[in-house]
Amino acid sequence: DAGVIQSPRHEVTEMGQEVTLRCKLISGHNSLFWYRQTMMRGLELLIYFNNNVPIDDSGMPEDRFSAKMPNASFSTLKIQPSEPRDSAVYFCASSSGTGWETQYFGPGTRLLVL
Amino acid sequence: DQQVKQNSPSLSVQEGRISILNCDYTNSMFDYFLWYKKYPAEGPTFLISISSIKDKNEDGRFTVFLNKSAKHLSLHIVPSQPGDSAVYFCAAMGNTDKLIFGTGTRLQVFP
Repeated sequence: DAGVIQSPRHEVTEMGQEVTLRCKLISGHNSLFWYRQTMMRGLELLIYFNNNVPIDDSGMPEDRFSAKMPNASFSTLKIQPSEPRDSAVYFCASSSGTGWETQYFGPGTRLLVL
Repeated sequence: DQQVKQNSPSLSVQEGRISILNCDYTNSMFDYFLWYKKYPAEGPTFLISISSIKDKNEDGRFTVFLNKSAKHLSLHIVPSQPGDSAVYFCAAMGNTDKLIFGTGTRLQVFP
């Protein structure tokens, strides 16, 4: 298995533009997590899904952020409009169980908003 | 307000010696703690965990110690190897099932 796949790996955009980050889960996994990593705050959980249903989105910073799972193996995280303070590395992770140690992280998308 | 704190952003240790990475937390409701390791350009990978009913958990060269009264945990790596050079994140969870991460400590093991 290729593991969790994220695209793009790097994104540079201008303030106000829409950004869409993509994530493909490991086959057979049913939970999906989106995280954001910054120097100041470390890794923050933004939202997680179980069986395509959003369970907890309290970490989503504001209405400019939205996440979807159009099917069981794929997710998108959209930022519209983007702002410079959104610059960070965004990770998605998937798991097949309820134990947090079973999460497998993707390589991340490094986002820079100018 | 950072509920999980890793106050040392970096640590440098000689190969063969012990590496001790520290983590403090403020929320007394946290009852499960994890350590993740992250190499550059890769996602974090799970390393070791400990439940609040224990004060020590060991896995090979890695041992995690938990001091609940001090709200402190530490990761010991012995002996340290150059391949251990990475960023280490501690994380905690409580009754909300939400994982709270620290800001990470960059460990460098030199020959």
